[in-house]
Amino acid sequence: NAGVTQTPKFQVLKTGQSMTLQCAQDMNHNSMYWYRQDPGMGLRLIYYSASEGTTDKGEVPNGYNVSRLNKREFSLRLESAAPSQTSVYFCASKLQGFIANEQFFGPGTRLTVL
Amino acid sequence: GDSVTQMEGPVTLSEEAFLTINCTYTATGYPSLFWYVQYPGEGLQLLLKATKADDKGSNKGFEATYRKETTSFHLEKGSVQVSDSAVYFCALSSSGNTPLVFGKGTRLSVIA
Repeated sequence: NAGVTQTPKFQVLKTGQSMTLQCAQDMNHNSMYWYRQDPGMGLRLIYYSASEGTTDKGEVPNGYNVSRLNKREFSLRLESAAPSQTSVYFCASKLQGFIANEQFFGPGTRLTVL
Repeated sequence: GDSVTQMEGPVTLSEEAFLTINCTYTATGYPSLFWYVQYPGEGLQLLLKATKADDKGSNKGFEATYRKETTSFHLEKGSVQVSDSAVYFCALSSSGNTPLVFGKGTRLSVIA
């Protein structure tokens, strides 16, 4: 049981390049989330998917797109990377339905945009 | 909307000191409350949680009590260790179908 996995762990991009961050969970969770973490800003929700086939914007969706490929996988795409997107990105998942269910987090992807 | 406010850091303590990290919340209904911990270079992991008023969550020597009258969920530990150095996040869930709402995090540094 690997929990939530993310690839890659580190990435350096040049301004304008595109890339996709991958996330997968093996806990049969229906809800998945993408956050970014910047120094002093805590976690900010980018997009989430409450269930397979649905996605919703979070607090900071501009410049990102997401795909819920199936129940296990939820990817985050940067179409044209900007230095302001330099951050640590975390994927999380949760079993929907019970208020006390915790969110499980992946180890993060550290992205630098030059 | 729902929100979580926690004390600003960083907090620096000597080993074996007493720790309190304050957390207050605003929410409709009866939320569940959580403390997450993030060790350097890692993702967040659940430290403890409480699901109703007066519940006490505890784990690894940390405790927090759900106080509905003061809308608080303060994190405490009687004797911190260097290995407790991390960022601590308070969070709430007011619905089983929406993301957790997180505070901004409090960085704790424990020095030997």
